[in-house]
Amino acid sequence: AQSVTQPDIHITVSEGASLELRCNYSYGATPYLFWYVQSPGQGLQLLLKYFSGDTLVQGIKGFEAEFKRSQSSFNLRKPSVHWSDAAEYFCAVGGAYDYKLSFGAGTTVTVRA
Amino acid sequence: SAVISQKPSRDICQRGTSLTIQCQVDSQVTMMFWYRQQPGQSLTLIATANQGSEATYESGFVIDKFPISRPNLTFSTLTVSNMSPEDSSIYLCSVVVTGSITGELFFGEGSRLTVL
Repeated sequence: AQSVTQPDIHITVSEGASLELRCNYSYGATPYLFWYVQSPGQGLQLLLKYFSGDTLVQGIKGFEAEFKRSQSSFNLRKPSVHWSDAAEYFCAVGGAYDYKLSFGAGTTVTVRA
Repeated sequence: SAVISQKPSRDICQRGTSLTIQCQVDSQVTMMFWYRQQPGQSLTLIATANQGSEATYESGFVIDKFPISRPNLTFSTLTVSNMSPEDSSIYLCSVVVTGSITGELFFGEGSRLTVL
């Protein structure tokens, strides 16, 4: 069975500081990994995805994520957070031609001035 | 990518009534799904909307409660039947764009239902 764990329910970070959101997954085959962001009252927007190749992937809005197979992790990072990054972030896992993604519980990010 | 329009964006409903949510996509898609996001929770897949045939439901979801239609490639509806306060959630339509070989989903902005 596939599953995703996001250990941090809520993170508060100062504007301009770095941000790292943790994601651990369980998947029986080669995983496809995704990070989505949900701003208040909005749907989900894809930040980035990993399928294969370079384990460090770049996404939109200055985010990046690193796939570590040995740790079953796919942590999201941003070097300098902006107030507009305050949102909920979801990590998800699926597989090739497996369109049914499993989502983590989400991490809420609060940005303080 | 795809632009997904959901209607209504929000509604307040009375217990025992039913509400139909529409999802319209601006491009050809291969797969359409309906997710539920209960307050403070993550996303749970309700069902896969199959064109011209019955939807495929996930464990814990049944057709009588969540009837789904998909008459063509770009349109689907989800009905929440005989609503109770426990059905208060955001319902999200998501799609896989034609030609995609990966599991990348695009989401609508959701329909926020409050049941009194």
